[in-house]
Amino acid sequence: DADVTQTPRNRITKTGKRIMLECSQTKGHDRMYWYRQDPGLGLQLIYYSFDVKDINKGEISDGYSVSRQAQAKFSLSLESAIPNQTALYFCATSSRTAQETQYFGPGTRLLVL
Amino acid sequence: QKEVEQDPGPLSVPEGAIVSLNCTYSNSAFQYFMWYRQYSRKGPELLMYTYSSGNKEDGRFTAQVDKSSKYISLFIRDSQPSDSATYLCAMSYNTDKLIFGTGTRLQVFP
Repeated sequence: DADVTQTPRNRITKTGKRIMLECSQTKGHDRMYWYRQDPGLGLQLIYYSFDVKDINKGEISDGYSVSRQAQAKFSLSLESAIPNQTALYFCATSSRTAQETQYFGPGTRLLVL
Repeated sequence: QKEVEQDPGPLSVPEGAIVSLNCTYSNSAFQYFMWYRQYSRKGPELLMYTYSSGNKEDGRFTAQVDKSSKYISLFIRDSQPSDSATYLCAMSYNTDKLIFGTGTRLQVFP
């Protein structure tokens, strides 16, 4: 079984809809991250969390919110989706003792019409 | 100006070639340098990690960091079709957050 799972893997939604992307990990890591990947822009950090009570904004947090429900679960929400949020979204985890190594999930392809 | 610059490619080479992938950066505070490999429709995975300057070798892969020039490289010897992927450099000054390059797409043809 995969150590970092993301659901759904693909999602099509309409402008203005609220959607949630979910991430779960079985690696026992404290740190979790949400990125989006766009062609030509690379990976951009949306939010990151160092533990359940520690959540921080990344480079591009506007229009997004997150929830760390448990050490193993980190959800990303788009409150009112817009077309320029169409992208590939990745969740990642790392441990406190090896922070430079991030383990990525398989990604969620999101299309906002 | 982006903190990390990386040529997007694509880079197309024959099997067995030596491949050189590069990134430049502007923040002299970066101390941690990483290369991630991303296959199509997959998440990135860590390939190489270097702290500060110097070289690191792992099988066919060598990572080099030149902090004086703010330049890092990944060399792949005896390249294989299975090396075809996008290679992302990443950097950090405290490992709390990684700054990624845009990625270079590599194709190794038989």
